[in-house]
Amino acid sequence: DQQVKQNSPSLSVQEGRISILNCDYTNSMFDYFLWYKKYPAEGPTFLISISSIKDKNEDGRFTVFLNKSAKHLSLHIVPSQPGDSAVYFCAASVRGDYKLSFGAGTTVTVRA
Amino acid sequence: DTEVTQTPKHLVMGMTNKKSLKCEQHMGHRAMYWYKQKAKKPPELMFVYSYEKLSINESVPSRFSPECPNSSLLNLHLHALQPEDSALYLCASSQVRDQSYEQYFGPGTRLTVT
Repeated sequence: DQQVKQNSPSLSVQEGRISILNCDYTNSMFDYFLWYKKYPAEGPTFLISISSIKDKNEDGRFTVFLNKSAKHLSLHIVPSQPGDSAVYFCAASVRGDYKLSFGAGTTVTVRA
Repeated sequence: DTEVTQTPKHLVMGMTNKKSLKCEQHMGHRAMYWYKQKAKKPPELMFVYSYEKLSINESVPSRFSPECPNSSLLNLHLHALQPEDSALYLCASSQVRDQSYEQYFGPGTRLTVT
């Protein structure tokens, strides 16, 4: 049973525009959410996280929004750059639990 | 420094071979993880060590044997693997999870079983 879902397998965006990646979850116990970026044949790189006590967290070009009532989070990348082309994984965890539940990933392609 | 290192980068082994994967971190993290990742799939958790003790084994076959010699090192011993075990093996580390902390991943070892 997949508890974290990324329903868009791919996203194509023009350089300089906004990329919006979406993620839904079903487990109401999740209280910490993360986004990872992954290039082919490399390990995932941590991007940004958000605790369930917040609804927004910003770090440079990356902003994560959390809507707990809808069990939905999104990652905004502004402006998108060619180096942002990668697979993005949404992940969630419960406080005190070592396990991360990952979504299936969204492949982002930034067009010049 | 948020670096997790893994060696080797690539490994090709036969089904009768014994090999080991190595992972090292110097971030003072006391939780370390092994993941397996197949192409276009999310990472799958295999093992978790907390304070050098095995905390989670996700029903991994015994042909995979983890070892945590000290707080900075994590090994994965491989023996009698099957071709379907070919994958990217990722190591990660984090602070101990009494709170919620991000996991930092290494670059992975690309394993091919022939």
